Amino acid sequence: DTGVSQNPRHKITKRGQNVTFRCDPISEHNRLYWYRQTLGQGPEFLTYFQNEAQLEKSRLLSDRFSAERPKGSFSTLEIQRTEQGDSAMYLCASSVTGTSRETQYFGPGTRLLVL
Amino acid sequence: AQSVSQHNHHVILSEAASLELGCNYSYGGTVNLFWYVQYPGQHLQLLLKYFSGDPLVKGIKGFEAEFIKSKFSFNLRKPSVQWSDTAEYFCAVNAKDTGRRALTFGSGTRLQVQP
Repeated sequence: DTGVSQNPRHKITKRGQNVTFRCDPISEHNRLYWYRQTLGQGPEFLTYFQNEAQLEKSRLLSDRFSAERPKGSFSTLEIQRTEQGDSAMYLCASSVTGTSRETQYFGPGTRLLVL
Repeated sequence: AQSVSQHNHHVILSEAASLELGCNYSYGGTVNLFWYVQYPGQHLQLLLKYFSGDPLVKGIKGFEAEFIKSKFSFNLRKPSVQWSDTAEYFCAVNAKDTGRRALTFGSGTRLQVQP
């Protein structure tokens, strides 16, 4: 396994701009999760996909956030009209479902700074 | 909904000291439990996991954790820490009985091991 990869690793943007992050899961992992982590806190769940279907969205995921996984492989997370409060580390994780022993493996994250 | 408490926010130990990091969760049903570690400059890595069976689980690098159901706890232990164990440690839980696999994390414990 090459691991979960995320791009870009860092993003600096001005308030009001749109940003898009990409996550490539471990090959053959059919579940893909997005989390957000702010300084001094643990990751917080945003949304997840099983194959191409988005099965759950957290209340943290405001209307400005949208995620896609069009072909059931990589996923994108877009934030429109960024706000300073969006500054955080955005983490992606992937797993294989079909068992109660599902384990999520995390990528390196994309650190977003909104000026 | 689940919640996770990690009461020790920052722990400083000398090399060879014993380690115990507390983790308590709040959820009435059956759970899966995880410890993740984040070394400086690296991404979240799985340290160990509990799904069922023997409540004492062993992970990588000499770490172990004990699930005590009556106390809703999953404390992490290591008999003798090394400088290389300096990292942030996160406890996480998800609900086994609902099928929902999104992880709920604690706020983390920063461990600093002094040589």
